[in-house]
Formats: sequence, structure tokens, C-alpha cells
Amino acid sequence: TQLLEQSPQFLSIQEGENLTVYCNSSSVFSSLQWYRQEPGEGPVLLVTVVTGGEVKKLKRLTFQFGDARKDSSLHITAAQPGDTGLYLCAGISDAGKSTFGDGTTLTVKP
Amino acid sequence: DAGVIQSPRHEVTEMGQEVTLRCKPISGHDYLFWYRQTMMRGLELLIYFNNNVPIDDSGMPEDRFSAKMPNASFSTLKIQPSEPRDSAVYFCASTTYQPGLAATDTQYFGPGTRLTVL
Repeated sequence: TQLLEQSPQFLSIQEGENLTVYCNSSSVFSSLQWYRQEPGEGPVLLVTVVTGGEVKKLKRLTFQFGDARKDSSLHITAAQPGDTGLYLCAGISDAGKSTFGDGTTLTVKP
Repeated sequence: DAGVIQSPRHEVTEMGQEVTLRCKPISGHDYLFWYRQTMMRGLELLIYFNNNVPIDDSGMPEDRFSAKMPNASFSTLKIQPSEPRDSAVYFCASTTYQPGLAATDTQYFGPGTRLTVL
């Protein structure tokens, strides 16, 4: 079974601060995805990273895939209240099966 | 596009009753996934279909759970009999990527069905 561990589990910060969320596994994945989920809704895909060492930027969000394709990080610069939500990473196996991490609940206070 | 549609949005039932959750995937998507989300276990893949055929049901917790996809536009997840520990939010998702290739396509999730078994 491929397991993904996310840290921290909970994060509460003030508007304008920076933060990093981590997603770690002992398994190698074909690709890795980050989702954000808001209360009462399903997860929404933010980004997919495929190549080891890949870095993708989406406005204030920076995503990195580890060189060995076992881990990833999500960095948010100058967090805003609208960034509040549950952030989930998902590792995709060669067979296309998704394994989700436990999630990081982010609260950004105005 | 209306996105993935799930019904009902909320279901409250008593232990022992049969529960049927419904999902309509996005038109043209040939993969459909059923997930369960709880605080304790996070988001778990229960089963997924490709072209209406179940491919991997290893995540289905036990025989009380069954899923069908009679056609490309409809799937059901049934729990019979239901138990309080089945209480969770059940999500359906659909996509078009092909396993074995770089899975860069998006899984589109429905809004979920919140199930409460008393």
C-alpha cells in the first residue's frame, strides 16, 4: 500500500504570511497532484507535477516535486483568507490509481 | 457542462437500512471513481470503473458495499445493510486519463453525498 503523509495537519496563520505544506511517501509515483477542498464541496485540482525536480508556479502558489518523485511541497506566499481550505496531495501510480494524503487544513485569518 | 452530479446531497438513515448513492459523470469521461472521506481516514478510493467496467474494487470495505455502472452516464454505490461506521461523505469523480501514461488529466469531483447512519 502506498501511503502519503502530509504535514502539518493543521495550520493557522495571519494574512500576509508565507507557509509550506509537505507531502511525503516512501513510494515512487508516476505523478503527483495537489487539490484544495472547501467545506461542503469536492476537491478541486490545483496542479499536477510529473517530472522529478519539477517546479510549477500558480500565482502565489509554488509546487515542487522531489527529485526521486516520492515527495512534494506546496508553498504559498502572502497568504490570503481566500486560501483557507483543506489541501490534499494525491500520488498517482503507474496504473493510474490515486492515493490521497490525509490533508492539511489551512486557516488564514484576516 | 454541469460537472459531476451526485444525489442525494444529504442522506440520514437508520442502521440496517439500504442506502443508494447516485452519480452522473461528466459526459465523455470514461473513468469513474467512488471515494469516501472521513476525519479519521481521510479520502479513500473505494472503486473505479473504466468504460463501465469495474477495474479495481480493492478499496471497498466489505460485502455490504456494492457499486454498479450500467451505462456511461450513471453509477450507483449501494450499502446494505448500513451501519453507523459507514457515516461519511461519499464522492464520485470522473476523468479521461489512461492508466500507464503520465496521469496529467484532472479528476473532477462531485459535491459529495453526506451520509449519516443513526
